[in-house]
Amino acid sequence: NAGVTQTPKFQVLKTGQSMTLQCAQDMNHEYMSWYRQDPGMGLRLIHYSVGAGITDQGEVPNGYNVSRSTTEDFPLRLLSAAPSQTSVYFCASSYSGRGNTIYFGEGSWLTVV
Amino acid sequence: AQTVTQSQPEMSVQEAETVTLSCTYDTSENNYYLFWYKQPPSRQMILVIRQEAYKQQNATENRFSVNFQKAAKSFSLKISDSQLGDTAMYFCASSGYGGSQGNLIFGKGTKLSVKP
Repeated sequence: NAGVTQTPKFQVLKTGQSMTLQCAQDMNHEYMSWYRQDPGMGLRLIHYSVGAGITDQGEVPNGYNVSRSTTEDFPLRLLSAAPSQTSVYFCASSYSGRGNTIYFGEGSWLTVV
Repeated sequence: AQTVTQSQPEMSVQEAETVTLSCTYDTSENNYYLFWYKQPPSRQMILVIRQEAYKQQNATENRFSVNFQKAAKSFSLKISDSQLGDTAMYFCASSGYGGSQGNLIFGKGTKLSVKP
């Protein structure tokens, strides 16, 4: 049971570099999302997708890009990393519909120096 | 906009005792869900309990139960017979804003320490 798999788990970037956080789920979930968690804060929604080819912005989308070409994968791209993007990133997935259990990945620690 | 407020940044409890974590929320939705998530030091997000807003009966999962007061928009978590493994951050969350099913709004969390 792989569930929601995120890679890499740890990454250090230099300001201005770009990178992609990978997220894959093997539960055939329609819904996938990305959150970030900063110190002293709960998780905040960056982007989400309700199915292949459909994405939308969450609460804090600036500086991030997403696409959903398959049901299984939902990568998060940092276009030009900034120190303010230093955070822990969580990918999540669920079946569509309110109230369904949302499964989270184990998180990706990103430091931008 | 939906908001979730947890007013207790930190709490502690003795092993085997009972503790209650507070949460209030604000939503204009009629149909929504409320959740409590546990985040141990490993950072894994673990669903503790879920409440459907249109159900008046409070949800219960083993030692965990909620006190859901819809009119007051209050959703507290009670942990009975606290165990050392309950030490973690606890996040209250609500879902169902706009047309975006599954998106969660989180509170800032309560750090719970269970002492032997």
